[in-house]
Amino acid sequence: KQEVTQIPAALSVPEGENLVLNCSFTDSAIYNLQWFRQDPGKGLTSLLLIQSSQREQTSGRLNASLDKSSGRSTLYIAASQPGDSATYLCAVRLMDSSYKLIFGSGTRLLVRP
Amino acid sequence: GAVVSQHPSWVICKSGTSVKIECRSLDFQATTMFWYRQFPKQSLMLMATSNEGSKATYEQGVEKDKFLINHASLTLSTLTVTSAHPEDSSFYICSAEDRGGQPQHFGDGTRLSIL
Repeated sequence: KQEVTQIPAALSVPEGENLVLNCSFTDSAIYNLQWFRQDPGKGLTSLLLIQSSQREQTSGRLNASLDKSSGRSTLYIAASQPGDSATYLCAVRLMDSSYKLIFGSGTRLLVRP
Repeated sequence: GAVVSQHPSWVICKSGTSVKIECRSLDFQATTMFWYRQFPKQSLMLMATSNEGSKATYEQGVEKDKFLINHASLTLSTLTVTSAHPEDSSFYICSAEDRGGQPQHFGDGTRLSIL
């Protein structure tokens, strides 16, 4: 059974810092991995999607890496801003015909001005 | 980009009431829709997967008679929480995809509070 873990559960940093969020998964047979942002009481915003054959994806100040063999992904946020404060979720898409998304429990990020 | 609309965004009702939540794909045909539940400070847990024109597939531990899912068209799926009780209070989110393996597009969620 696929399990997704995110560390740390919460993070508070001063504005301007570069930071790394971690995601690990137990079964390397994944279709893809996706990072989402969730603001309080809101739905999900997709940030980056990495296909199983890819090693990384970049969008602006965000960079996500994927090491499928070790079951790990990281989300790197450069020059953090208060507007980056949110919960960040990673999710893996199963390789089977269900294509289910299995979510981690998230990292709650606070960027202090 | 693909848009999924979820309605209502917030509902408060008395215990014993049945509540219907709608999930619509606005600019694409959703062959598959997913329903998730999220408790405070926890992650999204998949409740069920619905394919247009067929019965939903429920995850283990989710009562199908409690959470009725209908996916009657390629643009609409509904989740009905029957005889809701306070323990059903949660944040419910739907997502939709146009074909298997494609990125899911998420609605904005429905906050359900049962008094």
